[in-house]
Amino acid sequence: RKEVEQDPGPFNVPEGATVAFNCTYSNSASQSFFWYRQDCRKEPKLLMSVYSSGNEDGRFTAQLNRASQYISLLIRDSKLSDSATYLCVTKGGGSYIPTFGRGTSLIVHP
Amino acid sequence: DVKVTQSSRYLVKRTGEKVFLECVQDMDHENMFWYRQDPGLGLRLIYFSYDVKMKEKGDIPEGYSVSREKKERFSLILESASTNQTSMYLCASNPPGSDTGELFFGEGSRLTVL
Repeated sequence: RKEVEQDPGPFNVPEGATVAFNCTYSNSASQSFFWYRQDCRKEPKLLMSVYSSGNEDGRFTAQLNRASQYISLLIRDSKLSDSATYLCVTKGGGSYIPTFGRGTSLIVHP
Repeated sequence: DVKVTQSSRYLVKRTGEKVFLECVQDMDHENMFWYRQDPGLGLRLIYFSYDVKMKEKGDIPEGYSVSREKKERFSLILESASTNQTSMYLCASNPPGSDTGELFFGEGSRLTVL
């Protein structure tokens, strides 16, 4: 079983919609959590870290639920430019190597 | 800005050829990583290095080797390329004990083995 699981999608939403992705992780000792964004044929880039109390960056909100071992990303007022793959990443639990999920594809259409 | 540079964006090689993928970072990072990325499989760690001349196997090291002779440079070597090594290869770096977890990636090297 993969350590970090994501629904691959694609999530197909109209502009202006709100969309949410979940990600589950199996290593209960994981200490750090992140969302990366990867555009088509480009390298992944850090979108935001995920803090225990939840955090927001503009239209993006990240939440962590340690008890259920899942992380979520909420995107409000979707833009065409939000179309990308979103990668869930965990770190810690005795390793300094980040563990990547396989990604969730988002397509925002006009 | 952190810059991670991969020497070749696109390569086409023949089965059995030796292939070198070079990666250079300019931020004095100790940790460097090589991943491959395939559709449906996500990012898979091949090798990583936490210091000069140090290397550790990742999840899929078979068929690959690495070299880290200088801190800024981490090379991935395919001793005898095979068609199942056709993939996107991504190099990344970050400083030690990085609590941010942020990896800085190069633009990737898309390798096709015929």
